Amino acid sequence: DVKVTQSSRYLVKRTGEKVFLECVQDMDHENMFWYRQDPGLGLRLIYFSYDVKMKEKGDIPEGYSVSREKKERFSLILESASTNQTSMYLCASSPPGLAGVYEQYFGPGTRLTVT
Amino acid sequence: ELKVEQNPLFLSMQEGKNYTIYCNYSTTSDRLYWYRQDPGKSLESLFVLLSNGAVKQEGRLMASLDTKARLSTLHITAAVHDLSATYFCAVEQGGSEKLVFGKGTKLTVNP
Repeated sequence: DVKVTQSSRYLVKRTGEKVFLECVQDMDHENMFWYRQDPGLGLRLIYFSYDVKMKEKGDIPEGYSVSREKKERFSLILESASTNQTSMYLCASSPPGLAGVYEQYFGPGTRLTVT
Repeated sequence: ELKVEQNPLFLSMQEGKNYTIYCNYSTTSDRLYWYRQDPGKSLESLFVLLSNGAVKQEGRLMASLDTKARLSTLHITAAVHDLSATYFCAVEQGGSEKLVFGKGTKLTVNP
C-alpha cells in the first residue's frame, strides 16, 4: 500500500513565523503535490514537483515555497505565516503515469492555524 | 483553463434512496478520478475512469464517464449512513500530472 505521511496533524503558529510542513512518501513516486483545502473552495494546488529539485507553481503559490532534495520528501514552506494561510494542507504523490494514469495518493493532512 | 463543476454541492438523502452526483468539466480529458473524504480525514481514492464509456462499481456506488459530454456521474443506490462523506471528482489537466478538483459534494444520509 502507498503511504504518504505528513509531519504534523495539527499546528499552531504565530503571524510572521517561518513554517515548514513535511511530507514523505514510501512508494518511489516521481510526482508530489501540495494543496490547501478551504470550505467552499475545494482543493487548490499550491506547488507540485515532478522530480528531485524540480518544481512548478500551481494555482496559488504566493506566500509559499517548496523544497525537494530527496525523491521521497517534499516540503512546503510558509516564509512568513499570515492569518489567511490558516487552512488544511494536504500532500499527495503519484507514480510516473503508467498508461497515462496519474492517480494521486493523499496524506492525512495538516491543519494549520496562524494566530 | 480547465474547470470542474460538481452538483449538487450539498445532498441530504434518506437511507434506502437513490441519487446521482454530477461532475462536468470544461476541456477534453479522458481521465477522471473520484475521491471520498470523511470528516477530518484525508482523501481516499474511489474510482479511476480511463476512457469514454468507462463504468466502475463498488458496493452501492457506481461511476461512469462520458468524455464526449464531458460528464461523469456517481450514482448511489439504496444509500446507507456509512456513505455520508464528501465526494470529489478530479480531472487530469491536459495530459499532465496535475489534477483539477471539483469543489466536492457533501453527502449526508439520514436514517
